[in-house]
Amino acid sequence: ILNVEQSPQSLHVQEGDSTNFTCSFPSSNFYALHWYRWETAKSPEALFVMTLNGDEKKKGRISATLNTKEGYSYLYIKGSQPEDSATYLCASLPNAGNMLTFGGGTRLMVKP
Amino acid sequence: EPEVTQTPSHQVTQMGQEVILRCVPISNHLYFYWYRQILGQKVEFLVSFYNNEISEKSEIFDDQFSVERPDGSNFTLKIRSTKLEDSAMYFCASSEFSINEKLFFGSGTQLSVL
Repeated sequence: ILNVEQSPQSLHVQEGDSTNFTCSFPSSNFYALHWYRWETAKSPEALFVMTLNGDEKKKGRISATLNTKEGYSYLYIKGSQPEDSATYLCASLPNAGNMLTFGGGTRLMVKP
Repeated sequence: EPEVTQTPSHQVTQMGQEVILRCVPISNHLYFYWYRQILGQKVEFLVSFYNNEISEKSEIFDDQFSVERPDGSNFTLKIRSTKLEDSAMYFCASSEFSINEKLFFGSGTQLSVL
C-alpha cells in the first residue's frame, strides 16, 4: 500500500503572496502523479497529471514539478488570490493497476 | 463543459439497510471509479470499472459492495447492509481513456448511517 503525504496540512497566506507545498510518494513502482484542486462544496478538479522525472507543468499562476527518483512533487502558486483558496490534493498511481492513492491534502486560505 | 453527476447529494439510512448511490459519468468516458472520504481522513479508492467489469478494487470493497452499469449511462454503487463505518462522502469519477489521464469527479453523495 502506498503512503502519500502532503505538507503542510494547512497554509494561510496574504493575497499576492507566492506559495508552494509538497507531495511525497514512494519512488519505487511509480507511474503517475495527479494534482487536484478541491473547493468547498464542489467536486475535485484536475490540475495536472505528471509522469516523467523532471516534468514541469503550468496552468496560469499554478505550476508543478516532479522528481520521481526521490519521490516528491511541488505545487507552486504565484501571486495567490482569494479564489485560490481550496484544498490541494495529490495522488500517486503505481506502475500496474489503476488505484490512485491520495495524500491528505493541503488546505490553502488566501486572505484579501 | 460535460460533468459527472451524482444523486442523491445526501443520503441518510439506518444501519443494516441497503443503499444505492447513483452516478452518470461523462458520456464518452471509458473508465469509472468510486472513491470515498471518511470525515477527517484521506480520500480512498474503492473500485474501478472498465468494459462492464471491475478492473481493480481495494480491500475496502468487500462483499457488501457492488457496482453496476445497468443501462449504458448510469453507474451505481450498492452497499448491501450498511454499517456505521460506511458513513462517508462517496465520489464517482470517470476518465476518458485510461487512469493515466485526469479524473473528472462528481460532487459526491454524503452518506450518513445511523
